[in-house]
Amino acid sequence: QKEVEQNSGPLSVPEGAIASLNCTYSDRGSQSFFWYRQYSGKSPELIMSIYSNGDKEDGRFTAQLNKASQYVSLLIRDSQPSDSATYLCAVNTGNQFYFGTGTSLTVIP
Amino acid sequence: GAVVSQHPSWVICKSGTSVKIECRSLDFQATTMFWYRQFPKQSLMLMATSNEGSKATYEQGVEKDKFLINHASLTLSTLTVTSAHPEDSSFYICSARGWGQGGQPQHFGDGTRLSIL
Repeated sequence: QKEVEQNSGPLSVPEGAIASLNCTYSDRGSQSFFWYRQYSGKSPELIMSIYSNGDKEDGRFTAQLNKASQYVSLLIRDSQPSDSATYLCAVNTGNQFYFGTGTSLTVIP
Repeated sequence: GAVVSQHPSWVICKSGTSVKIECRSLDFQATTMFWYRQFPKQSLMLMATSNEGSKATYEQGVEKDKFLINHASLTLSTLTVTSAHPEDSSFYICSARGWGQGGQPQHFGDGTRLSIL
């Protein structure tokens, strides 16, 4: 079982819709959770960090963490074509850092 | 804050050449730096993890003598691809992680696109 799992997609949503990206992790001791966005040909950039159960909002982005169910999600409201990218979920467990393989999102104008 | 600078951004060189890539944390001290490579349309592949002043820890299948990593200070790590060959052509990305409780994220450099002719 992989430490972090994501649906590879591709996920397509129309412009203005809500995009929902999900991630599950295997280690209950995981402490910190991150979402990165990677545009084609570019390096990943950090967009959200979340450390405790519940929701964390930053602009159009909301990260949701449920430690009991071991999942993290990212919601993108009012999706824009510029949100089209691969979204990577990352989990920190002790000294280890695990990335998912990423979900490809396409926002259709 | 949390800016990571990676140079060069693009390298084209002949087979057999050694190439050095620098990764600097500009506004924070990096306790740990990571080196990744990524092929087109594929996931990040962790090559090695380095802590300042100690030897890098390489992932299985990564040749230590081929990919030399030096983490001489809390703000600088270098990756040297020795005697590079066309199969080493890839996108190399570094990241850095700083101090702090609760688990700090990795901050990525812009990457280096390496093409070996």
